[in-house]
Amino acid sequence: KQEVTQIPAALSVPEGENLVLNCSFTDSAIYNLQWFRQDPGKGLTSLLLIQSSQREQTSGRLNASLDKSSGRSTLYIAASQPGDSATYLCAVVNRTGNNRKLIWGLGTSLAVNP
Amino acid sequence: GAGVSQSPRYKVAKRGQDVALRCDPISGHVSLFWYQQALGQGPEFLTYFQNEAQLDKSGLPSDRFFAERPEGSVSTLKIQRTQQEDSAVYLCASSNGTLAGVPGELFFGEGSRLTVL
Repeated sequence: KQEVTQIPAALSVPEGENLVLNCSFTDSAIYNLQWFRQDPGKGLTSLLLIQSSQREQTSGRLNASLDKSSGRSTLYIAASQPGDSATYLCAVVNRTGNNRKLIWGLGTSLAVNP
Repeated sequence: GAGVSQSPRYKVAKRGQDVALRCDPISGHVSLFWYQQALGQGPEFLTYFQNEAQLDKSGLPSDRFFAERPEGSVSTLKIQRTQQEDSAVYLCASSNGTLAGVPGELFFGEGSRLTVL
């Protein structure tokens, strides 16, 4: 059974720091992995989607990598800003079982302090 | 539309009432998903539509939950005889096409927060 884990559960950093959020998954047979951001009381905003054949995706100050063999993805945020404060979730779509549902981690709650 | 739109944003219901939650997906998106998110938890899959066809409803927690998408665009999630444990945020997401049913990039609405008293 696929399990997705995100470490750390919470992170507080001063503004300007570069930081890394980790996502690990137990079954490497995935179609894709997606990173989302969720602000309090809001829905989920898609940040980056990495297909299983890809190694990384970049969008602005965000870079997500995927190492399928080791079951890991990292989200790198460069030059963090207070506006980056949110909960970051990763989710995978399995190749086996129900391939329509996302399997979610519990998220990393990020606070960037001015 | 520009994004996925959900209504109402907030709904308070008395136990036993029926509720209906609406989702307007991004125009042209064939795939539509409903998720349930409890406080402090990740979203839990409820059901999936491809156009008007409900291809997967394995996540619906009971027969009190019903979803439809009659014309392949707007979808409604209906909960009959609401219970307190139904209190959650109900998220709708759409995707532009899928490969063999596998969702591509998902775009979520802001959710409908249901509180059952």
